[in-house]
Amino acid sequence: EVKLMESGGTLVQPGGSLRLSCAASGFTFYSYNMNWVRQAPGRGLEWVSAIDPGAGSTFYADSVRGRFTISRDNSKATLFLQMNTLRAEDTAIYYCARRTDYSSTYHMDVWGKGTTVTVSS
Amino acid sequence: DFQMTQSPSTLSASVGDRVTITCRASQSISTWLVWYQHKPGKAPKLLITKASSLESGVPSRFSGSGSGTEFTLTISSLQPDDFATYYCQYSDTFGQGTKLEIK
Repeated sequence: EVKLMESGGTLVQPGGSLRLSCAASGFTFYSYNMNWVRQAPGRGLEWVSAIDPGAGSTFYADSVRGRFTISRDNSKATLFLQMNTLRAEDTAIYYCARRTDYSSTYHMDVWGKGTTVTVSS
Repeated sequence: DFQMTQSPSTLSASVGDRVTITCRASQSISTWLVWYQHKPGKAPKLLITKASSLESGVPSRFSGSGSGTEFTLTISSLQPDDFATYYCQYSDTFGQGTKLEIK
């Protein structure tokens, strides 16, 4: 079964740090670009970050660039999101998703169920 | 900045109704549009790629159309399982979502 499972979400104070993980199974993880996508309370889906299969290229939304770092360990089929200098507006459910790229865009055909990050004092 | 605009934001309908959701791109994206279904507490589900290609396992009551800047997602006969929020997506940009509610 193709599966993604996020972990690491919790309550953290503003200015704090957190590392999210996403464990992949059932497919050749090292062959795929991967995304992090989030949903803040009462809001829609927001793309956060992306990484290519070899981890040579990483991409970030303006809202998180300089504070978040995406990485991956292909030997362990795991995706990470290191989140620093957290703000209240980072409060959200964070999803990891597998990408299939083509032309100038892509779709996400496998998603995890998400992990909840709450930034509050 | 590139934008995707969905309408309506909320749609109230009954089981058996035919409903249409619209997604507009701020510039032409050919047919490179994707649709997702999202229910609270669950993973988003890929429904349609390339504007009109139904993913395997998605019921045939779902259909997508459009090209350029205007796209539609149609559900021909609403079923109880279809009440959810629907998003369009191109590259790193999502529409704001359309919440489909029971009337």
